[in-house]
Amino acid sequence: AQSVTQLGSHVSVSEGALVLLRCNYSSSVPPYLFWYVQYPNQGLQLLLKYTTGATLVKGINGFEAEFKKSETSFHLTKPSAHMSDAAEYFCAVSPPSGGYQKVTFGIGTKLQVIP
Amino acid sequence: NAGVTQTPKFQVLKTGQSMTLQCAQDMNHEYMSWYRQDPGMGLRLIHYSVGAGITDQGEVPNGYNVSRSTTEDFPLRLLSAAPSQTSVYFCASSRTSAYEQYFGPGTRLTVT
Repeated sequence: AQSVTQLGSHVSVSEGALVLLRCNYSSSVPPYLFWYVQYPNQGLQLLLKYTTGATLVKGINGFEAEFKKSETSFHLTKPSAHMSDAAEYFCAVSPPSGGYQKVTFGIGTKLQVIP
Repeated sequence: NAGVTQTPKFQVLKTGQSMTLQCAQDMNHEYMSWYRQDPGMGLRLIHYSVGAGITDQGEVPNGYNVSRSTTEDFPLRLLSAAPSQTSVYFCASSRTSAYEQYFGPGTRLTVT
């Protein structure tokens, strides 16, 4: 079984400040991990993903995330927030084997950027 | 290459009516899924499919039916609409569940 916990359903940061969105997972096997972004009235789109290899992964729009196995975490960061980053962010976990297994999404974190 | 398409974009139903939300993808993806999104509850998986002819329930399947007769299409049927089914519905597809999901633009459903 697998699960995802996103700490903080709403996060507010000032423009130019560090963005940190937290994601912890539970999985019986080393999972694949994803961050998705959803802008208002749109579907979700992939921000970045971790499958194997380098534990620090870079995504679009200056975001990055680090896979920490010992902490079962995959937190999303961006050094300097921009107004256009205001959106909802979802962490997701999936089993690397695919097959009959399903993807599990976190509850989402709404990011507000204050000018 | 249209990706994942969903129709309709908006729909209003009366309680007890039935309808089908359409989802199609042109990427030859095996894995397809339906989610509903409600304020404060994130994305909840309704049903998913790992290939043509194979479907399974997610966490909130009651009141919904799916079938997967082709790789491309994965329609979601509401059997007898209820106000609790008012939501935004997203369809997604991927090569397998291990790969990134591609989402459709969503269907906003209101049941009165």
